[in-house]
Amino acid sequence: ETGVTQSPTHLIKTRGQQVTLRCSSQSGHNTVSWYQQALGQGPQFIFQYYREEENGRGNFPPRFSGLQFPNYSSELNVNALELDDSALYLCASSLRTGGNEQFFGPGTRLTVL
Amino acid sequence: AQSVTQLGSHVSVSEGALVLLRCNYSSSVPPYLFWYVQYPNQGLQLLLKYTSAATLVKGINGFEAEFKKSETSFHLTKPSAHMSDAAEYFCAVRPYLSGGSQGNLIFGKGTKLSVKP
Repeated sequence: ETGVTQSPTHLIKTRGQQVTLRCSSQSGHNTVSWYQQALGQGPQFIFQYYREEENGRGNFPPRFSGLQFPNYSSELNVNALELDDSALYLCASSLRTGGNEQFFGPGTRLTVL
Repeated sequence: AQSVTQLGSHVSVSEGALVLLRCNYSSSVPPYLFWYVQYPNQGLQLLLKYTSAATLVKGINGFEAEFKKSETSFHLTKPSAHMSDAAEYFCAVRPYLSGGSQGNLIFGKGTKLSVKP
């Protein structure tokens, strides 16, 4: 069974640029959630995708957007990057039922200069 | 809004000593509760979860947690710390949603555990 994978591992961008992060969900999982973890903080929920549709969103501006593909993989896009967007971005996959845990990928470390 | 409070951003214990990491949640309805561990430069790994079955939950690596509704707590314990337990630990709550669908996780700020030889 393949776990959750994310690419790239690290990324350096400058303010105002755009970035795309990618996530492959664990085999059999139909739901993908994205989290932002700033240094020294707990992860914060960005949004969740189920069957290619957004299924919940946290307190993040519209310049954070996403996609889910038919194979349940997902992308996180961030436009007009700001310095505060520097963080570890975590992807988690799961089955869309209440008690099931989310399985996290290793994350993408984004640095905005 | 639901929230999670982890008391103590940094806990230090000696090898072989009891580990106690505290977590309190705010919720009018008992939610699903989780403990995750994060090693440096890695993602999150699930230690254990509470989903309204037994109140004492056993997890991996000898960790366990007890759900206490009256105290709205879900503290994590391990009888004897090992050097390899040094990591950051996050408590998380997922609100119960009607229809059995899954909501997002709300995390505490984390507790960094150090283990002294």
